[in-house]
Amino acid sequence: DIQMTQSPSSLSASVGDRVTITCRASQGISNYLAWYQQKPGKVPKLLIYAASTLQSGVPSRFSGSGSGTDFTLTISSLQPEDVATYYCQKYNSALLTFGGGTKVEIK
Amino acid sequence: EVQLVESGGGLVQPGRSLRLSCAASGFTFDDYAMHWVRQAPGKGLEWVSGISWNSGSIGYADSVKGRFTISRDNAKNSLYLQMNSLRAEDTALYYCAKAHSGWYIPNWFDPWGQGTLVTVSS
Repeated sequence: DIQMTQSPSSLSASVGDRVTITCRASQGISNYLAWYQQKPGKVPKLLIYAASTLQSGVPSRFSGSGSGTDFTLTISSLQPEDVATYYCQKYNSALLTFGGGTKVEIK
Repeated sequence: EVQLVESGGGLVQPGRSLRLSCAASGFTFDDYAMHWVRQAPGKGLEWVSGISWNSGSIGYADSVKGRFTISRDNAKNSLYLQMNSLRAEDTALYYCAKAHSGWYIPNWFDPWGQGTLVTVSS
């Protein structure tokens, strides 16, 4: 089975900072990767699919990149409403595995 | 507006069964694959199972294979998860999620329902 490893598991940054979250697949998955945001007590929300395609309605400060085994989610200018846990998910094969999550807080 | 409403959760003893339902509206249900994803209290997301638009392709996480059965009734716009031989580690909030296309894979999930809580305890 392909494992998805996110890092860091948590981070604290200031408003306006650039934040980068990484997701590594144990084997190549092309660009079959999605990113989700889950705010505290809320339902997960799709941010990005196909590694870099922004879902409609998602602020442009979010971006995704990568292919193969290494992927990143970047928030160009962190906002208070971005406090959440972020998950990557691979969807190239029968087991649609999520990463362990990255909790983002405001410093 | 797409709406997904899960039901059927509750407190159940280990070894017993439970059937979850997800009522869908706001889209053409039989055009899309559907999935179940769970989240144990304070933990991350775990994909559980998925089913294609016509039930022709189905998949399960290793942790539930042989115990859980996913199904759908396109005439009723409903998705189901039959959970047998429940264990304490199955305790979680269970979400149903709409896939992007009718095929089981490759697919991402959008949107998700609010979830139904399953607690397995004696």
